[in-house]
Amino acid sequence: KAGVTQTPRYLIKTRGQQVTLSCSPISGHRSVSWYQQTPGQGLQFLFEYFSETQRNKGNFPGRFSGRQFSNSRSEMNVSTLELGDSALYLCASSLGKGWLNPPSFGQGTRLTVV
Amino acid sequence: QKEVEQNSGPLSVPEGAIASLNCTYSDRGSQSFFWYRQYSGKSPELIMSIYSNGDKEDGRFTAQLNKASQYVSLLIRDSQPSDSATYLCAVLSYGGSQGNLIFGKGTKLSVKP
Repeated sequence: KAGVTQTPRYLIKTRGQQVTLSCSPISGHRSVSWYQQTPGQGLQFLFEYFSETQRNKGNFPGRFSGRQFSNSRSEMNVSTLELGDSALYLCASSLGKGWLNPPSFGQGTRLTVV
Repeated sequence: QKEVEQNSGPLSVPEGAIASLNCTYSDRGSQSFFWYRQYSGKSPELIMSIYSNGDKEDGRFTAQLNKASQYVSLLIRDSQPSDSATYLCAVLSYGGSQGNLIFGKGTKLSVKP
């Protein structure tokens, strides 16, 4: 079965611009979560969506937002990009119920802000 | 602030040896524990999950959990050069949803031929 798909794989943006990243979860998975990974901070949780509703949110500024569609696909948006937003953005999906089903990750989108 | 701590490494072991990776967590209410492996330039891949105290074995991998000590470990027996990667410990706290894992910063493992 197909894994989590993220597009695009690589992005280069200029400071001040905005960017939208896309994630298609594994079929049947209703939970989609987003993480930011940097060498200094490691993997940090951004937010999680379940059935089109944001269920959890990490400690990131309001410039980071997301949404989930009725087919469980999700998008993440970052506005007014800063150099520090350069990172690997990972999307993960899971069934979303109970605590016995860990999330599976997509290949990530490498964002570089110049 | 819920935290997961790991030694950053690098941990270097010779081929065929046992690699021991450790993780501690701060939230006593944590209920699910996972080990992910991440090769350089790739995304994390789940290799082990453990939910109750004791050992869980899967092939060359053994996860150990001690909730009283808030400690999780991963043992890799007969280490191979292909095991060289960063190993991430992840914890799901009580009341948290599956999508909200707290990760350690990872331990970089190097297996020398």
